[in-house]
Amino acid sequence: DAGVIQSPRHEVTEMGQEVTLRCKPISGHNSLFWYRQTMMRGLELLIYFNNNVPIDDSGMPEDRFSAKMPNASFSTLKIQPSEPRDSAVYFCASYGRVETEAFFGQGTRLTVV
Amino acid sequence: DQQVKQNSPSLSVQEGRISILNCDYTNSMFDYFLWYKKYPAEGPTFLISISSIKDKNEDGRFTVFLNKSAKHLSLHIVPSQPGDSAVYFCAASAYGNQFYFGTGTSLTVIP
Repeated sequence: DAGVIQSPRHEVTEMGQEVTLRCKPISGHNSLFWYRQTMMRGLELLIYFNNNVPIDDSGMPEDRFSAKMPNASFSTLKIQPSEPRDSAVYFCASYGRVETEAFFGQGTRLTVV
Repeated sequence: DQQVKQNSPSLSVQEGRISILNCDYTNSMFDYFLWYKKYPAEGPTFLISISSIKDKNEDGRFTVFLNKSAKHLSLHIVPSQPGDSAVYFCAASAYGNQFYFGTGTSLTVIP
């Protein structure tokens, strides 16, 4: 398996634009997480899906953030409209019941100017 | 509110000496704890874990200690090597659900 795949690796956008980050989890994993890495909060959990259903989205900072998982092999994190303070590295991770740890993608570095 | 805390943002250690990274948590429901290692421009990778039924788990140069009464865990690296220089994240979960991470500790091993 190629691991968790995120795209794009880098995204630069202007304030007010819509941004969509994409994630393909490891095949067979039934849990998916979106994290945001910042200096102040480290790896901050934004949302957690189990079997494609959002279980906990209490970490989503504002209504500008939304996430979907239409099927077991794809998830998106959307920011609309984007703001400079959204600039961070966003990670997707997946987890299966046969494993004991979550596997991370390489992240998307988002810069909002 | 941070449920997992790493109070030392950085640590420097001489090559060959012991590195000790600390982590505290607040949620007594956590039953599984992990350490991840992160290099620049890469995603975090799993390093070592411990279940709440144990107080120590060892894997080569890496040992994790858990003190449930103090809600504290630590990662020991002996001997430290320059390749260990990275950011280390502590994480915790309850009943196999979501993983909560700390803010990370940047370890520098000086040759």
